[in-house]
Amino acid sequence: DGGITQSPKYLFRKEGQNVTLSCEQNLNHDAMYWYRQDPGQGLRLIYYSQIVNDFQKGDIAEGYSVSREKKESFPLTVTSAQKNPTAFYLCASSYGQEGEKLFFGSGTQLSVL
Amino acid sequence: AQSVTQPDIHITVSEGASLELRCNYSYGATPYLFWYVQSPGQGLQLLLKYFSGDTLVQGIKGFEAEFKRSQSSFNLRKPSVHWSDAAEYFCAVGPREYGNKLVFGAGTILRVKS
Repeated sequence: DGGITQSPKYLFRKEGQNVTLSCEQNLNHDAMYWYRQDPGQGLRLIYYSQIVNDFQKGDIAEGYSVSREKKESFPLTVTSAQKNPTAFYLCASSYGQEGEKLFFGSGTQLSVL
Repeated sequence: AQSVTQPDIHITVSEGASLELRCNYSYGATPYLFWYVQSPGQGLQLLLKYFSGDTLVQGIKGFEAEFKRSQSSFNLRKPSVHWSDAAEYFCAVGPREYGNKLVFGAGTILRVKS
């Protein structure tokens, strides 16, 4: 079955540590997105990529980094510069056409130890 | 800048009662409009979307939404709520340009009383 896989489901970060969240899709989608979800704030766009080897910052990119070396994969690294990383992280993908719906993964809950 | 407002953080309705979730947006032109639903600890699923044409849009699970340009609103409705509808609902807007970056509202949590 086609879909988006996020791993791990739960992740814990120690102070000063970088952690990487995985996102893989087998939908042959060109565009991929990372959103951060905090209670009462909805989803906020961190980074997005419309094509392999290219990505753009979203609204809250500070303290995060991404790569897009393969069409299927769009990992997100939460760096030590992100001082408040505890949140639910959602990856999504689409063909990138205007007005098209997003397909979402089931998310990763990141917490700080 | 574009924005989406969902005025109700929580709504509680009795099973079998009707439901309306409010959504207002601010955008320079008519955007694409979406409603998504999220169960706890899960990703989001599309309920319905509006692109153009008929302002009353039908979606999955018996939901519908009406686009009112004069009020910049896109309210979600369901005539009879089921206990399984309890979830969080997000309204989103997307620009009419390549890239499909959506802006989401803060969400409305729906509780259903039996």
